Amino acid sequence: ETGVTQTPRHLVMGMTNKKSLKCEQHLGHNAMYWYKQSAKKPLELMFVYSLEERVENNSVPSRFSPECPNSSHLFLHLHTLQPEDSALYLCASSQFRERGEKLFFGSGTQLSVL
Amino acid sequence: SQELEQSPQSLIVQEGKNLTINCTSSKTLYGLYWYKQKYGEGLIFLMMLQKGGEEKSHEKITAKLDEKKQQSSLHITASQPSHAGIYLCGANHLIAYSGAGSYQLTFGKGTKLSVIP
Repeated sequence: ETGVTQTPRHLVMGMTNKKSLKCEQHLGHNAMYWYKQSAKKPLELMFVYSLEERVENNSVPSRFSPECPNSSHLFLHLHTLQPEDSALYLCASSQFRERGEKLFFGSGTQLSVL
Repeated sequence: SQELEQSPQSLIVQEGKNLTINCTSSKTLYGLYWYKQKYGEGLIFLMMLQKGGEEKSHEKITAKLDEKKQQSSLHITASQPSHAGIYLCGANHLIAYSGAGSYQLTFGKGTKLSVIP
């Protein structure tokens, strides 16, 4: 148990669906992250929020829309996804968004787009 | 090109054997992390190394950092089936300098370890 909870654990959706991934951290951290992990590729950083403000957006398609309503919750809204978006989506948090900060990861949402 | 290269990509060892996983960075390192991942699950933090020559151990796992070579190694002694999983190295790289600097944590592709009982 890392203190970071992600739901759902598995999600299957069609290309026309709209769904959301949820992440909640109980660690009192101030920075939260979305990562994408595809087969045979390194973890890709998608978004970073620090003190509820988006501070990094790494050229992610607009069909992915993050939301951070408070420092404990992070959402990833999905719409009109493509099959190549199928991957494990990992949420992480850290005390601050600084060098040397340890990231705590959730268990991930395994997403399949049909 | 890949910023962090891990080798080997996969490893199968007999229980009780020692093994080493390497991580090499193409950029200057400002801290290196080792994580372990069970298939389809999140990453579990193992160790963080920040200074050249630093070595840390946890149970039967030892990690070292060679800052000059921009490399780190993870060594497992007397491997057990519980050590099986994917080991990922992550490193802080400087992406912009503005005052205190801006760092991004990037990861290698991982090394898949299987331990045969």
